[in-house]
Amino acid sequence: SQTIHQWPATLVQPVGSPLSLECTVEGTSNPNLYWYRQAAGRGLQLLFYSVGIGQISSEVPQNLSASRPQDRQFILSSKKLLLSDSGFYLCGALATSTDTQYFGPGTRLTVL
Amino acid sequence: KNQVEQSPQSLIILEGKNCTLQCNYTVSPFSNLRWYKQDTGRGPVSLTIMTFSENTKSNGRYTATLDADTKQSSLHITASQLSDSASYICVVSAGSGGGADGLTFGKGTHLIIQP
Repeated sequence: SQTIHQWPATLVQPVGSPLSLECTVEGTSNPNLYWYRQAAGRGLQLLFYSVGIGQISSEVPQNLSASRPQDRQFILSSKKLLLSDSGFYLCGALATSTDTQYFGPGTRLTVL
Repeated sequence: KNQVEQSPQSLIILEGKNCTLQCNYTVSPFSNLRWYKQDTGRGPVSLTIMTFSENTKSNGRYTATLDADTKQSSLHITASQLSDSASYICVVSAGSGGGADGLTFGKGTHLIIQP
């Protein structure tokens, strides 16, 4: 089975500072990878997805970017954080062979 | 537009009681439907996954049903425990290889079990 690691678990950053959240996946090769944001009391909003190394698709215009430098590594970044970037960020991985999606433990980001 | 609607938005029940959560979807084509449990501040964990041909699947005290004709699913929790307090998310896959239209998420039902 897959294991998804995310770090850090919590992060407090000032407005205008950069951001880098990392996600790594174990237990599968060439997974589809996803970044979601979940606002309090809201559903999951898909931010980015990747079907392979260097292949990133963005779902919503925003202040964030994503990169996939390795098959099992997915990074969410920002050059300058906004207050509206606060939220709970989840990394997801889809094992295409079983069509089952798994989620990481999440990162709670607070921008002050 | 693909949509997944869950009801109720929130639910409070006493420990030991049963409850049923609903999920209605308008996703096409349909590949599978999953129920996830998400504890506060944690990532969602898969409970069940059902394909078009399956209409019931159990995982311990959790039983999911699927009616592909009416495009409805339910998650029944039997003999609830305090640890069942969580958000329950219904996710429907259109099976497009995991792309932008591959997964549609419901907003979840927030379940609180009271002692």
